[in-house]
Amino acid sequence: DTAVSQTPKYLVTQMGNDKSIKCEQNLGHDTMYWYKQDSKKFLKIMFSYNNKELIINETVPNRFSPKSPDKAHLNLHINSLELGDSAVYFCASSQDRPPPSYNEQFFGPGTRLTVL
Amino acid sequence: TQLLEQSPQFLSIQEGENLTVYCNSSSVFSSLQWYRQEPGEGPVLLVTVVTGGEVKKLKRLTFQFGDARKDSSLHITAAQPGDTGLYLCAGGGGGSNYKLTFGKGTLLTVNP
Repeated sequence: DTAVSQTPKYLVTQMGNDKSIKCEQNLGHDTMYWYKQDSKKFLKIMFSYNNKELIINETVPNRFSPKSPDKAHLNLHINSLELGDSAVYFCASSQDRPPPSYNEQFFGPGTRLTVL
Repeated sequence: TQLLEQSPQFLSIQEGENLTVYCNSSSVFSSLQWYRQEPGEGPVLLVTVVTGGEVKKLKRLTFQFGDARKDSSLHITAAQPGDTGLYLCAGGGGGSNYKLTFGKGTLLTVNP
């Protein structure tokens, strides 16, 4: 019973291509996130959605566009891929009830993106 | 901008040794979370501390939240090879502030 799943696990593509990563959670959580982990293992928040509404939008190139069709799914589309986009992308979810809520994150297994 | 500094960045020890990892900030957090990440996997939550001075124990792992809620430490007693991984601390603003600020992590290797 996978709690947070991502597809694909690995993604190798050429510069300039457009690609998407999909994420699904079956935990019934209200909030989902996209993180980028670079080669030095630094985990940085990119976006967050709460009940399909964008609530966190960090300084990310507008080539990256998240979409949440429903609160169990959060996808990430990347246009015109660049070498610097190579990283591991993690999806996560958190429950924001009951208060207090500490937004404890449940992470997916990650998608390793390699741009050639 | 809230920042969390973790130290040390790398730690390689022998099985059976004790170790402490530190997480420091100049900002106050409503909660401090510790995660462990193994190669090829996502981070997994170990513990959340929310009260200044709070101490939580998880088997051989002891977590402490500083009195001022600006820093935290993770102490592992008698480390085992299974403890190997990347340890991440993350500070939360709480309430409707959904953003967690992550430290850069401590990569621990426990050699048999």
